[in-house]
Amino acid sequence: EPEVTQTPSHQVTQMGQEVILRCVPISNHLYFYWYRQILGQKVEFLVSFYNNEISEKSEIFDDQFSVERPDGSNFTLKIRSTKLEDSAMYFCASSPREDRRHYGYTFGSGTRLTVV
Amino acid sequence: AQSVAQPEDQVNVAEGNPLTVKCTYSVSGNPYLFWYVQYPNRGLQFLLKYITGDNLVKGSYGFEAEFNKSQTSFHLKKPSALVSDSALYFCAVRVSMNTGFQKLVFGTGTRLLVSP
Repeated sequence: EPEVTQTPSHQVTQMGQEVILRCVPISNHLYFYWYRQILGQKVEFLVSFYNNEISEKSEIFDDQFSVERPDGSNFTLKIRSTKLEDSAMYFCASSPREDRRHYGYTFGSGTRLTVV
Repeated sequence: AQSVAQPEDQVNVAEGNPLTVKCTYSVSGNPYLFWYVQYPNRGLQFLLKYITGDNLVKGSYGFEAEFNKSQTSFHLKKPSALVSDSALYFCAVRVSMNTGFQKLVFGTGTRLLVSP
């Protein structure tokens, strides 16, 4: 069964450093998303991406965050200057064109980001 | 705001007994509801969804959920629990955004512990 792959599984970074979280969506999927889960809290929507541009973003997704699809396969989330409160599990997800209405898109296994 | 609520942080059940994980929703219009499961160090795995039609929805691993419009609930059920069902369960609702894209709004999660 096709999977969404995320790397690394765990990353520790110092406050103020830049981090890039990487995702390889399912190959024929066209819609991409990042969600995050702060420890012990709910999973929250960050951003959706389609046709090489952001289609929607939440209030969490401020200027410190950016996404891109640099090579047609990877989908990255960059945090420019990390803060302690960015510590969370970050999930990438993708959905195919015909399932744009999110009837059950595929999530990756997540990257646990720890900012120290 | 459109949301789902999971009133129980944890549910304990003995193996072989039936289990219920509760979810209530608050949405305008017809709700599109989902259940996801998260095993340790794994991503969010889709279990089942309710879009329309029969109120009893069957999903993966023997799980089912009952949509109850009058009680605005979408409880997850299984007739006979397995130890391997122990995991974190999330209820979610599809929400439309201004751009026409959709996102999932998750509940806070319920940890299910099945004892041998």
